[in-house]
Amino acid sequence: DTAVSQTPKYLVTQMGNDKSIKCEQNLGHDTMYWYKQDSKKFLKIMFSYNNKELIINETVPNRFSPKSPDKAHLNLHINSLELGDSAVYFCASSPQRDTQETQYFGPGTRLLVL
Amino acid sequence: GNSVTQMEGPVTLSEEAFLTINCTYTATGYPSLFWYVQYPGEGLQLLLKATKADDKGSNKGFEATYRKETTSFHLEKGSVQVSDSAVYFCALSRNTGKLIFGQGTTLQVKP
Repeated sequence: DTAVSQTPKYLVTQMGNDKSIKCEQNLGHDTMYWYKQDSKKFLKIMFSYNNKELIINETVPNRFSPKSPDKAHLNLHINSLELGDSAVYFCASSPQRDTQETQYFGPGTRLLVL
Repeated sequence: GNSVTQMEGPVTLSEEAFLTINCTYTATGYPSLFWYVQYPGEGLQLLLKATKADDKGSNKGFEATYRKETTSFHLEKGSVQVSDSAVYFCALSRNTGKLIFGQGTTLQVKP
């Protein structure tokens, strides 16, 4: 009965590869997010989708492409991985867009690019 | 722009000591304020929140009061336990859907 789940939990890959991270929420929320946590634990938003529509796109390289097949799923595809992409990526969801409501986070995907 | 500043860590305390982690914010209007906790190797969990001035959020013995006059939301606990060892994040949200986080404060509690 996990609320926000992510797969995989760990991802180790070579520079230049393409990889995807998947996120699913069973809370019935309309809005989902991707955050990146760097090696110093700093968290920054990358993207947000509301009911399959992209609503937040921060200054992120276009090697990162989010996709939302339905409002319960938000995936993150990364092309041509670089060493600097090594981080923990968190998915989150909230009931609605453009509000100050609580966001619920997944367990994170720890990406290591070698 | 909107921002959150937390005290530098790590904070090291003995069990049963009093905890304060300072958090101040800069924001237009009236943000909601949050404390999230990240236990080792895990994701972020909401610890407590406050949505308007003078509100006090509380959970698991932790408390924080939304102080608009000092733009602060300091986290306190009267008696910490070893199991409280984690990274604590202060965050704010305006009506944009973005959570703006502080840099996180690592708490280590020793027996």
